[in-house]
Amino acid sequence: DTAVSQTPKYLVTQMGNDKSIKCEQNLGHDTMYWYKQDSKKFLKIMFSYNNKELIINETVPNRFSPKSPDKAHLNLHINSLELGDSAVYFCASSQEGAAGVYNEQFFGPGTRLTVL
Amino acid sequence: QKEVEQNSGPLSVPEGAIASLNCTYSDRGSQSFFWYRQYSGKSPELIMSIYSNGDKEDGRFTAQLNKASQYVSLLIRDSQPSDSATYLCAVILYSGAGSYQLTFGKGTKLSVIP
Repeated sequence: DTAVSQTPKYLVTQMGNDKSIKCEQNLGHDTMYWYKQDSKKFLKIMFSYNNKELIINETVPNRFSPKSPDKAHLNLHINSLELGDSAVYFCASSQEGAAGVYNEQFFGPGTRLTVL
Repeated sequence: QKEVEQNSGPLSVPEGAIASLNCTYSDRGSQSFFWYRQYSGKSPELIMSIYSNGDKEDGRFTAQLNKASQYVSLLIRDSQPSDSATYLCAVILYSGAGSYQLTFGKGTKLSVIP
């Protein structure tokens, strides 16, 4: 059973297009995340979301928007794609812990986005 | 600025040796620390989590945490070629406005030589 899944695995598109990446987790976790890993392999958080709040990394352009239809899904929409958006995007999930304690995050397989 | 620092390597060790991976972090108040392993072209895979000062052992892996020195390390005993990967240190850092985020170091690439 796949714990955190993403589709598609690969996405090749033209500059200026709008695209979406889907993420689903069957772990029963209450928090989901999107990360971007650039060509230098640096992994950086973009969003975290639970049923209480959306936390956005201030460096993320507003062309990127997360959409959560329910607790098990967090999709990533990207408008007006740019060359610099080419990267691997990872979805992750975790279970909220007690105050001051943060539990492990589990990652999906990643989506390699190439913008031409 | 909140940071997690790792030596990018590459770190080469012979098969059977102990590999030692180090990480420092900037937020003295951090309470949650993780080591992930990432093979080329794959997603990060959790190896260890550690929350208290001292050592935590799981099989061939030992995580060590020293909050006073803001230092966390990972030891891999009896290193195997299959351990060759990039090891990511990750720390929950305060990101402002009452929120916390998992912040990754840039990773240390480990090569275990047969």
